[in-house]
Amino acid sequence: DIQMTQSPSSLSASVGDRVTITCRASQGISNYLAWYQQKPGKVPKLLIYAASTLQSGVPSRFSGSGSGTDFTLTISSLQPEDVATYYCQKYNSAPQTFGGGTKVEIK
Amino acid sequence: QVQLQESGPGLVKPSQTLSLTCTVSGGSISSGDYYWSWIRQPPGKGLEWIGYIYYSGSTYYNPSLKSRVTISVDTSKNQFSLKLSSVTAADTAVYYCARGRDYGDYSDPADVWGQGTTVTVSS
Repeated sequence: DIQMTQSPSSLSASVGDRVTITCRASQGISNYLAWYQQKPGKVPKLLIYAASTLQSGVPSRFSGSGSGTDFTLTISSLQPEDVATYYCQKYNSAPQTFGGGTKVEIK
Repeated sequence: QVQLQESGPGLVKPSQTLSLTCTVSGGSISSGDYYWSWIRQPPGKGLEWIGYIYYSGSTYYNPSLKSRVTISVDTSKNQFSLKLSSVTAADTAVYYCARGRDYGDYSDPADVWGQGTTVTVSS
C-alpha cells in the first residue's frame, strides 16, 4: 500500500508569513491528492483536491502544487484563523490513506 | 444540501462489536454518483481511513482493519453502517462518516462529512 508522509509534523509562524507543508507519496499517485484542514474540535474540511484545485469557498491564500509523489500546500500569508492541523490524503484508489498531519500554530 | 449524521453507542465493551449508522439527508444514497466512507480519529491523533461503500454494495477496506470491518448500505432507510468486531481500547476514537463523488474512472475526495461520534471502548 502507498504511504503518505507529511513534513513538518508541526510548525510555528508569524501572522503574514508564507507557510509551506509537504506531502510525499511512497509511489506515484498522479494528482489524486487532497488537503484537509481540521481546526481544534472541528470536522475536517476539504481545502484542495486534484493537488491544486481549490474547493469552493476556500480563501485564495491557500494553494497546492505537485504531481506524482511530491506535493505542497502553501499558505501565502498566514492568518490567525488558519491555526489548524492539515492533512494530505491520496484518493485515487483504496486505501485512501491520510498523511500524519501538520499542526500549524501562530508564533 | 446533503447532510450526514452518525449515530450509535458511545461506549462499547472490549471484545464486542462496535456498530454505527450514518443517516443521509437532503440526497439519496441510491444515487450512483457517490461513495460513502467511514474515517476515524483516535484522541489526539491523526485521521485513519476505514473504508467505503458504493450504493451497489461494493466495499473497500483499510487492510489493517479488513478482518474486523463490515460496511453496509440500507437504501430503504437512506443509511449506511459500520461494524467493527473484537474491539479494544485502540479502537477508541471519533468516528466520521463522509461522502465523495464517484465518476466511474476516477473519484473526488470526501467533501461532505458528518459531525462525528465519539466511541469509547472500555469495560
